[in-house]
Amino acid sequence: DVKVTQSSRYLVKRTGEKVFLECVQDMDHENMFWYRQDPGLGLRLIYFSYDVKMKEKGDIPEGYSVSREKKERFSLILESASTNQTSMYLCASRSTGTYEQYFGPGTRLTVT
Amino acid sequence: QKEVEQNSGPLSVPEGAIASLNCTYSDRGSQSFFWYRQYSGKSPELIMSIYSNGDKEDGRFTAQLNKASQYVSLLIRDSQPSDSATYLCAVNGGDSNYQLIWGAGTKLIIKP
Repeated sequence: DVKVTQSSRYLVKRTGEKVFLECVQDMDHENMFWYRQDPGLGLRLIYFSYDVKMKEKGDIPEGYSVSREKKERFSLILESASTNQTSMYLCASRSTGTYEQYFGPGTRLTVT
Repeated sequence: QKEVEQNSGPLSVPEGAIASLNCTYSDRGSQSFFWYRQYSGKSPELIMSIYSNGDKEDGRFTAQLNKASQYVSLLIRDSQPSDSATYLCAVNGGDSNYQLIWGAGTKLIIKP
């Protein structure tokens, strides 16, 4: 069965803190994605990775960075959290040659 | 700018009736089309994929694709209160191997 897990379901951080969100998939997928989802704006792609140590910017990469040191793990980093980064963060993965993406449960991040 | 458009709703349908959800897309090169269901506070879950013109049925769900009109729809027969959710339409970008283009979703409410 497809399994994507995220390190936290809820997270509260203060402005200026460095924040790490981790995502792990056990499907041996090459491709992994980080999205944020806000009411009325839908899913917006932050970064994606198509292989270990490979990454590409999505539509809204400003204020974020990512790390993929192992195939199964993809981390999203907020270098200095700001209140406008309060959002639901969703990780997804897919296998090369297909388009179906499978999502983790999401992390609801609140920055105060 | 490649776009996927959905009516945000809410779409209110009586229990037992047919719910019809619609989606239009702008990229004529798109070949793969997906419907995801997202319950409130949860992550999106893939429920249907369609690649060819016509209808594809899976239980109570039918996806319909018309590439000439750039139109995808999802029909839910015998609607149940458990079908109440936001339904996201996603389409592959014709010139991208990695990304899906997401609609903002239609909120469906099934009234008992």
